[in-house]
Amino acid sequence: AQKVTQAQTEISVVEKEDVTLDCVYETRDTTYYLFWYKQPPSGELVFLIRRNSFDEQNEISGRYSWNFQKSTSSFNFTITASQVVDSAVYFCALKVTGANSKLTFGKGITLSVRP
Amino acid sequence: NAGVTQTPKFRILKIGQSMTLQCTQDMNHNYMYWYRQDPGMGLKLIYYSVGAGITDKGEVPNGYNVSRSTTEDFPLRLELAAPSQTSVYFCASSPGQWSGANVLTFGAGSRLTVL
Repeated sequence: AQKVTQAQTEISVVEKEDVTLDCVYETRDTTYYLFWYKQPPSGELVFLIRRNSFDEQNEISGRYSWNFQKSTSSFNFTITASQVVDSAVYFCALKVTGANSKLTFGKGITLSVRP
Repeated sequence: NAGVTQTPKFRILKIGQSMTLQCTQDMNHNYMYWYRQDPGMGLKLIYYSVGAGITDKGEVPNGYNVSRSTTEDFPLRLELAAPSQTSVYFCASSPGQWSGANVLTFGAGSRLTVL
């Protein structure tokens, strides 16, 4: 069975601070995909990134960066110089290969960025 | 391109009433899903479908039914609504499932309250 743990439930930072959202996953499969989704106050779920288990390169996209470490089963997300618009709930998710596999979500981290 | 469209956005039901949440996608995706989101609990899969005429249960199917008569539509029916079904419901779709790589596209959500 797959499991995603987002131990942080709520984080509050002041604008321009850097913030890291933690994600730890569990799976026995060797091939899997990890995702981050953002849910702003408007409620929709927005895809941010996908990473497969064979690619441990860190990814940077503007102020966003992701650190994937198989040794610690972690896929952490860092926002540099946070902005008020980053305020949202962020979900980490895991999916293994196979016709019947499902996307397993963590419980989400609520990030509040104060001006 | 509308993506995934859910209706209604909001609904209040009385205990014991029934209703159908509508979901339609225009991306010709084979796979469709229904999730529910409860505060602090992440997203839980209710039902999913791998193609027209084929549906299967997710983690929390009790109290719900689905059908998939066309590729585009995947309605979720609540029979005998209960307060425990108060939640935000998300419909999603993806091109395929097996590889695990496919990104889910979500609808905007439907907020249901059962009183």
